[in-house]
Amino acid sequence: DVKVTQSSRYLVKRTGEKVFLECVQDMDHENMFWYRQDPGLGLRLIYFSYDVKMKEKGDIPEGYSVSREKKERFSLILESASTNQTSMYLCASSDGIGDHNSPLHFGNGTRLTVT
Amino acid sequence: RKEVEQDPGPFNVPEGATVAFNCTYSNSASQSFFWYRQDCRKEPKLLMSVYSSGNEDGRFTAQLNRASQYISLLIRDSKLSDSATYLCVVRRGSTLGRLYFGRGTQLTVWP
Repeated sequence: DVKVTQSSRYLVKRTGEKVFLECVQDMDHENMFWYRQDPGLGLRLIYFSYDVKMKEKGDIPEGYSVSREKKERFSLILESASTNQTSMYLCASSDGIGDHNSPLHFGNGTRLTVT
Repeated sequence: RKEVEQDPGPFNVPEGATVAFNCTYSNSASQSFFWYRQDCRKEPKLLMSVYSSGNEDGRFTAQLNRASQYISLLIRDSKLSDSATYLCVVRRGSTLGRLYFGRGTQLTVWP
């Protein structure tokens, strides 16, 4: 069974802090993703990566950066946290091209509050 | 225009009812289609893929209409445990691995 693990379930940070959200998957998946989910807005893609050291901007990359130094680990970085980054953050991974044989597998999320 | 659009609901139905959700997608190059289910405060999980000829998995039936660019999910004999948010998800042919999510349709099944 695919396991995607996010390092924290709940996180509270102060405005201006640098925040690291970590995600690890154990199935040797090539693709990894960071989403945020907000009421009424659904899931929005922040960044994704198709391979080690590769990254692509999603729909809302502003204020975020990512790091993928190893295949199994994809980190999301909030350079200077702001209150509008309070959200649920979901990491996901998949193998292949995203067809019927390679759905997304999600971690159980990190609920980040920035005060 | 959003990539994937769904009626947010909520749909409130009694146990045993049949309920249907629709979803439209904007890009005709979309190639793969899915329904995900998300329980309250949990992560989304794949419910079923949607195939061109339509497919069934127990009480769940998914249909695809490429000409009209919409996808449907039918749930028969609703159970209390079906209460969740159902996300319509689409992959474009040109976007390796990347999926586009609808905002979800909320379903509550009451006893």
